[in-house]
Amino acid sequence: GIQVEQSPPDLILQEGANSTLRCNFSDSVNNLQWFHQNPWGQLINLFYIPSGTKQNGRLSATTVATERYSLLYISSSQTTDSGVYFCAVRARTRSSNTGKLIFGQGTTLQVKP
Amino acid sequence: DAGVIQSPRHEVTEMGQEVTLRCKPISGHDYLFWYRQTMMRGLELLIYFNNNVPIDDSGMPEDRFSAKMPNASFSTLKIQPSEPRDSAVYFCASSSHGNEQFFGPGTRLTVL
Repeated sequence: GIQVEQSPPDLILQEGANSTLRCNFSDSVNNLQWFHQNPWGQLINLFYIPSGTKQNGRLSATTVATERYSLLYISSSQTTDSGVYFCAVRARTRSSNTGKLIFGQGTTLQVKP
Repeated sequence: DAGVIQSPRHEVTEMGQEVTLRCKPISGHDYLFWYRQTMMRGLELLIYFNNNVPIDDSGMPEDRFSAKMPNASFSTLKIQPSEPRDSAVYFCASSSHGNEQFFGPGTRLTVL
């Protein structure tokens, strides 16, 4: 099955710094999502981005489907950005019925004041 | 607009007991997913439904686990009998036409 690798596994930033998180996947996808799991365990949708670039405030994401990677940019980080960031993909298959998301292991981000 | 609703939020039970987790998807969504999150295995799909029909249950760990979706607005995940290794956070998610998935708050299950 499709493999999803995220890097770095852990990241510590000083408040105000910028960062880039990476997600590599091993096969063609027709769905890619970025989530933030906050310290209370909630999974918050950040981006639905099977291809292209999107921006939402201080966050932006780019997926280059042909090269099988996606990047999440966090600018001017804040302490509330702390948590785990997950990339999840749905493989492009012959069957259009599959809805299965495969998650990476996540990047744990700590933003210090 | 309500998101995905799960109950209970926390469940503590003893080994051997039956556990039932409940989920109400976002209204109008035709896909429903059950995931489990553990430290060892991360987030993994257990089963998903399309229009109330189970499509892929290959992630269900064993026969002790069962899931049902009697109608478009309700699903259950049942564990009988429960074991300590079932302790995890169980998430329900829903989507429209298999696109962007939205997750509920999760149920934290502890089996003693």
